[in-house]
Order: sequence, then structure tokens, then C-alpha cells
Amino acid sequence: DAMVIQNPRYQVTQFGKPVTLSCSQTLNHNVMYWYQQKSSQAPKLLFHYYDKDFNNEADTPDNFQSRRPNTSFCFLDIRSPGLGDAAMYLCATGVRTNNEQFFGPGTRLTVL
Amino acid sequence: GQNIDQPTEMTATEGAIVQINCTYQTSGFNGLFWYQQHAGEAPTFLSYNVLDGLEEKGRFSSFLSRSKGYSYLLLKELQMKDSASYLCAVRGDAGNNRKLIWGLGTSLAVNP
Repeated sequence: DAMVIQNPRYQVTQFGKPVTLSCSQTLNHNVMYWYQQKSSQAPKLLFHYYDKDFNNEADTPDNFQSRRPNTSFCFLDIRSPGLGDAAMYLCATGVRTNNEQFFGPGTRLTVL
Repeated sequence: GQNIDQPTEMTATEGAIVQINCTYQTSGFNGLFWYQQHAGEAPTFLSYNVLDGLEEKGRFSSFLSRSKGYSYLLLKELQMKDSASYLCAVRGDAGNNRKLIWGLGTSLAVNP
């Protein structure tokens, strides 16, 4: 089945220790998004790619970086995680001419 | 500014009908989405409205009035599994902007 996959589902890291979250998709969608969602809050868009074009949100901290080596994969790198970065990180995909976003199951990040 | 308002919490009884309202003020409008999110899981797409009127899909219906900046999600024949958060999201700009503006979500509790 076509889908959006995120690994790992649960990630624990230490304060200040770099961590990478991964997302892959078999939908062949042009657009890939990374969201941060904290408890009882709406998803907050961090950045998105349209093909290789990277679009950063103005309020996304420099601590967050992203890579998209090909259509199928996208990575979220957190260079120096702080306690405030503990959240659910959601990857989503979309097609330019279609409005729906397809979400992966998310990675819950814990920072100790 | 851009703003989406929806009630924080709602309670309903199994088998009943519930209506979840959403009002929005955005700089532009290019579609409104409803997503369902169970606790600890990713959002899943429910409906999309871009023209005024009612869209029906099984037990779920969504209504839009662009002139009033208003939408509602109607859930019929409620089941216990419908207990979840319901997120209203608006695509605020046309063209190349593929971002969604998200409401905080309405937490629905379905009681037996």
C-alpha cells in the first residue's frame, strides 16, 4: 500500500545531542512537510519541500534543519535538542494539484 | 492576522448527532479541511470544501460559507471510536503557497 513512513516511532535523545528523524513515502508526491505538534496544540509547520525547493517558515529555529536527498526521503535534523523540542514530529506529503495532505504516524521525541 | 477558531471541547452521546463549528479569518482562501486525530496518532483527512455548501461522506458531512468565514463538521450516528480531536485547517493563499493554517482542534468525547 502507498504510504508515508516515519522512523523511529519513538526517539529518546539527550539534551544537546544531535538527532535525526526520517520520513519516506511511496506516494511519489512532490511536496513533503515537517510539522511539530505539542500536546493539545495544532500542528506547527517547520518547513516544506516542493521537489528540491526548500521553504523554511520564518519562525522555525535555526536548530532545525532538513534534507531531501530524493523524492522518497526527507530528514529532520535537530542539531542541539533542548527540553522544549520534546514533541510529536509529523511528516506529511502532498501533490501540487491536489489539496489533501497525507500524514505519517509521527515520531514522538523525548529529550532528557 | 490569520486566525481559526473552534471550540476546545465537546461531549456527545453514542448514536447522537454533533456539529463542530469553525470560523476563520485569513488573508485569502483556497479551501478548508477537516482532519481527525486520535490521541498519540497522526491526523487523518476527513473532508475538503472550497465552494459553498454541504459535502456529505457517509456519517460525516462538512459545510462551508465563504462569505461568513464559517464551516462546520457534522457527525451522525456517533460511535465510541469517534472520540478524537477534530482539526479545522484553511489554505489561506492561492498559487504556490501550499501551507495550511490550523485551528487548535476540538476534543470530542463520545459517551455511552
